Amino acid sequence: GAGVSQSPRYKVAKRGQDVALRCDPISGHVSLFWYQQALGQGPEFLTYFQNEAQLDKSGLPSDRFFAERPEGSVSTLKIQRTQQEDSAVYLCASSLQKGAYSNQPQHFGDGTRLSIL
Amino acid sequence: GQQLNQSPQSMFIQEGEDVSMNCTSSSIFNTWLWYKQDPGEGPVLLIALYKAGELTSNGRLTAQFGITRKDSFLNISASIPSDVGIYFCAGQKNGGNNRKLIWGLGTSLGVNP
Repeated sequence: GAGVSQSPRYKVAKRGQDVALRCDPISGHVSLFWYQQALGQGPEFLTYFQNEAQLDKSGLPSDRFFAERPEGSVSTLKIQRTQQEDSAVYLCASSLQKGAYSNQPQHFGDGTRLSIL
Repeated sequence: GQQLNQSPQSMFIQEGEDVSMNCTSSSIFNTWLWYKQDPGEGPVLLIALYKAGELTSNGRLTAQFGITRKDSFLNISASIPSDVGIYFCAGQKNGGNNRKLIWGLGTSLGVNP
């Protein structure tokens, strides 16, 4: 498809389990972003990749959160030992970045809704 | 984390009316964006603003990048039922590896046919 694709759309896990969320960016998009959106809130930044390099991970809330993009395309966000406060929608976005200071808008997928029981 | 001040929080209008919402910040941003989010979906980009003072339209939508670079507004003219949804402003500072978007809390818009 032409847009950002995320899977699964819904994930239910028991507290303490590990989960992995996948993002397929728009083809050719260099930059990839992960955001966390709690109910009734705006998205909050988690981490940013340019190609395979993770250039900003300042938003990751704890060391239980880990993201990778090994080949500069598909990305996976992993949450270990999940807790109830991890319940949220996890959004992925990609952008076509042409230079260090050029600014292309971020385009979002429909997110993965994670529920921790 | 840091958030933008977005108002109003919610509004309910009659079909055909115009609506305005705005976003302010205590710090400067180099890019302002407006997104719309429907239930169960991701944010969809409406308008992107890159220059202080810039006024940009997209159909019935008009947005402006404030001169101080600390605010932006979005106007919707002649509202229709499909305008219902949550509208978010987002700011981006840019520079080096700082590409993250800082978001407002959203404006929930209802339109009465």
